[in-house]
Amino acid sequence: KNQVEQSPQSLIILEGKNCTLQCNYTVSPFSNLRWYKQDTGRGPVSLTIMTFSENTKSNGRYTATLDADTKQSSLHITASQLSDSASYICVVSASPEGNAGKSTFGDGTTLTVKP
Amino acid sequence: GAVVSQHPSWVICKSGTSVKIECRSLDFQATTMFWYRQFPKQSLMLMATSNEGSKATYEQGVEKDKFLINHASLTLSTLTVTSAHPEDSSFYICSAAGVWDSGNTIYFGEGSWLTVV
Repeated sequence: KNQVEQSPQSLIILEGKNCTLQCNYTVSPFSNLRWYKQDTGRGPVSLTIMTFSENTKSNGRYTATLDADTKQSSLHITASQLSDSASYICVVSASPEGNAGKSTFGDGTTLTVKP
Repeated sequence: GAVVSQHPSWVICKSGTSVKIECRSLDFQATTMFWYRQFPKQSLMLMATSNEGSKATYEQGVEKDKFLINHASLTLSTLTVTSAHPEDSSFYICSAAGVWDSGNTIYFGEGSWLTVV
């Protein structure tokens, strides 16, 4: 059974600090892994998408890493801001390229950045 | 970037009535769209997968006669909550599958708040 596990479930950090969110998956065969940010009451917004051959991808202060061998991904947030407070969702797709198909969602990590 | 639009953003309806939510891909053709519901502080729950021109595939436990999905074109899918009840009150989100950047990905709509009174 395809599964995506995220940790921690919730995290509280001070503004300006860095943090790392984890995503472990058992989805196979692997196609791509995506990180989304979901503000309360809004739809998720894509941060990064990584395929099998990519190890690192950055989007501003967000850097995602992928280890396809250990089936682990991390999302590192640098110099956190109050606006980073949100739920971060890891989504893994097992479909082949060109067909997004059905994806497996993690339960998300709720990040709270305090001043 | 790709945009998915949902309408309405929020709706209040009386118990027993039906409500339709639209999901549009604005600048790309989406052969596949997904519908989710999300309760407060909980993760997204996939309800159904909608393929253009064919019947939707519903997840286990989701009543297909209650949540009618129509994907009549490559840019529009609709979710109709029939005979709505207060327990149907939730945040409904759609997403559309498209090819962008380095590969296939999924773009989400802004979501629709449904309150049944």
